Amino acid sequence: GDSVTQMEGPVTLSEEAFLTINCTYTATGYPSLFWYVQYPGEGLQLLLKATKADDKGSNKGFEATYRKETTSFHLEKGSVQVSDSAVYFCALTESGGSYIPTFGRGTSLIVHP
Amino acid sequence: IAGITQAPTSQILAAGRRMTLRCTQDMRHNAMYWYRQDLGLGLRLIHYSNTAGTTGKGEVPDGYSVSRANTDDFPLTLASAVPSQTSVYFCASKKEGRGTEAFFGQGTRLTVV
Repeated sequence: GDSVTQMEGPVTLSEEAFLTINCTYTATGYPSLFWYVQYPGEGLQLLLKATKADDKGSNKGFEATYRKETTSFHLEKGSVQVSDSAVYFCALTESGGSYIPTFGRGTSLIVHP
Repeated sequence: IAGITQAPTSQILAAGRRMTLRCTQDMRHNAMYWYRQDLGLGLRLIHYSNTAGTTGKGEVPDGYSVSRANTDDFPLTLASAVPSQTSVYFCASKKEGRGTEAFFGQGTRLTVV
């Protein structure tokens, strides 16, 4: 079945550091790829997405590029802020069938001043 | 404000009791989902519904049931709660299609004692 693998956390950074959170996927078809963010005590919300190969999703300084050849969708940000501290989930929605979102296990990001 | 509403926000439940978690959305989305979130395990799908009148089993359906009598409501019932069902439960909805984002409720924190 479909699956998403994310790097283990927590990731701890100082403010203004560069962020990379790795995400790879396994899918039988041609999925769409997503990053969601969960702030403490809240539900998940969409951060960015990409629906086809080589597309780059971006939002709030975060970016991720859909790499079909490496089945990856790594999240990056050039300069993190304390307010970026949250849990980040990589997810996919498969083409064909029920389009059920499949999530990775989440990566906790802690940014220190 | 459009979105998904879950109730209750938190609950302490005695083992063996029956409990229904409520979920209502006003976005007219056809697809709805129930996930549980556990530390280190991420989000796991319990049940889903692609449209009113239909439901399906997810990754961890045992001990849970759902119904979808109309588009807006998707209640999750624990027939006889057990401590392993202690978790945070999220309801989500989305439009059909692989490129559409999921919208999440704020979650229900359930403790079974």
